[in-house]
Amino acid sequence: SQQGEEDPQALSIQEGENATMNCSYKTSINNLQWYRQNSGRGLVHLILIRSNEREKHSGRLRVTLDTSKKSSSLLITASRAADTASYFCATDRNFGNEKLTFGTGTRLTIIP
Amino acid sequence: NAGVMQNPRHLVRRRGQEARLRCSPMKGHSHVYWYRQLPEEGLKFMVYLQKENIIDESGMPKERFSAEFPKEGPSILRIQQVVRGDSAAYFCASSIDRNSYEQYFGPGTRLTVT
Repeated sequence: SQQGEEDPQALSIQEGENATMNCSYKTSINNLQWYRQNSGRGLVHLILIRSNEREKHSGRLRVTLDTSKKSSSLLITASRAADTASYFCATDRNFGNEKLTFGTGTRLTIIP
Repeated sequence: NAGVMQNPRHLVRRRGQEARLRCSPMKGHSHVYWYRQLPEEGLKFMVYLQKENIIDESGMPKERFSAEFPKEGPSILRIQQVVRGDSAAYFCASSIDRNSYEQYFGPGTRLTVT
């Protein structure tokens, strides 16, 4: 069964606005990662947050993690047309990089 | 440093044929993972391999699917007697070692079974 569920499933916003996507998971985790997938392409790693971290920044990306609620959010500030893609959260449960469990994804569309 | 390479990018097979998907990890990476993505869905883990070893194949269907990562050459995901339900995108990822949490993904192979 899917470990992660992203919310919303689809999101359309105007260029320049901020986009927020959420991810919930069911079991305890070691790390949570966010990936981007452009249509018909492979996945690009965006950011990793460890279970003992609460917030992390990378450029226009801000990720939060609430292990008590088993949820994470990805905020993209000042969105650009090039941010149009699907975004997935992925969790791993063990120490060491073993299998990732992916959510169902949020399809983000930035309207120019 | 070339990224993860997968070939072919697109593969069309008739029902009952065999599909062989190849993955060359990033240089210096000895850990390979295979994932399957059905349309409009997230990726599902299939198998995790190191050179000459299958570490975790809990996501692999019990029949018709096999994977290997030989000492020399790419990792191979093999699907025998393909059925329409096998149509999907198959992604390979690699990591440098067990303690590296980041997996680098290839562009995927899109398998279509007619």
